[in-house]
Amino acid sequence: DTGVSQDPRHKITKRGQNVTFRCDPISEHNRLYWYRQTLGQGPEFLTYFQNEAQLEKSRLLSDRFSAERPKGSFSTLEIQRTEQGDSAMYLCVSSLVALAGPGGTQYFGPGTRLLVL
Amino acid sequence: GENVEQHPSTLSVQEGDSAVIKCTYSDSASNYFPWYKQELGKRPQLIIDIRSNVGEKKDQRIAVTLNKTAKHFSLHITETQPEDSAVYFCAAMAGRRALTFGSGTRLQVQP
Repeated sequence: DTGVSQDPRHKITKRGQNVTFRCDPISEHNRLYWYRQTLGQGPEFLTYFQNEAQLEKSRLLSDRFSAERPKGSFSTLEIQRTEQGDSAMYLCVSSLVALAGPGGTQYFGPGTRLLVL
Repeated sequence: GENVEQHPSTLSVQEGDSAVIKCTYSDSASNYFPWYKQELGKRPQLIIDIRSNVGEKKDQRIAVTLNKTAKHFSLHITETQPEDSAVYFCAAMAGRRALTFGSGTRLQVQP
């Protein structure tokens, strides 16, 4: 257990429905990432936050995806109008990045496995 | 952006043999190179990492080497055991941004 939790762990939904996932990072960590992993592939970067600010979004993150980290603690990832191609494992990563230092070690949550029927 | 290539995609070795997995990266600004082990249905688990100011790092049976000039890094596992069987991912990070992962190597250690 890395100390990063995600909820739910599994989600089955029908195409067109909206889904929301939650990530609770390690409490003192200031950096939070979302990655997506499909079967047989490495995780792909979606977006990341430094405290409550969303600093970067991947081109993979279509308009149907939105992420928030309102108080710089937990984060939510919402997918609107889900498509079958959204089926994947959604991984949250927590990290502590010093102001003047390099990127910190990244701690993965257990992931939310999404299946869109 | 960064591109990470990983080889081989599958690797089968006999128990006790060594295994080597290689990765190349494209962004010369990358300075952090972790390796993850992922078992089926589980999260990626960090097994070793290296920063660009060193050329080699060891942790028991696992070692990572980095050649910044050639932009490649490798994972070496010695005295492999059946429990080493898993998918291994390399990754690279430039500055303080996000990780870019390789496509993974499925390692099978035959008892």
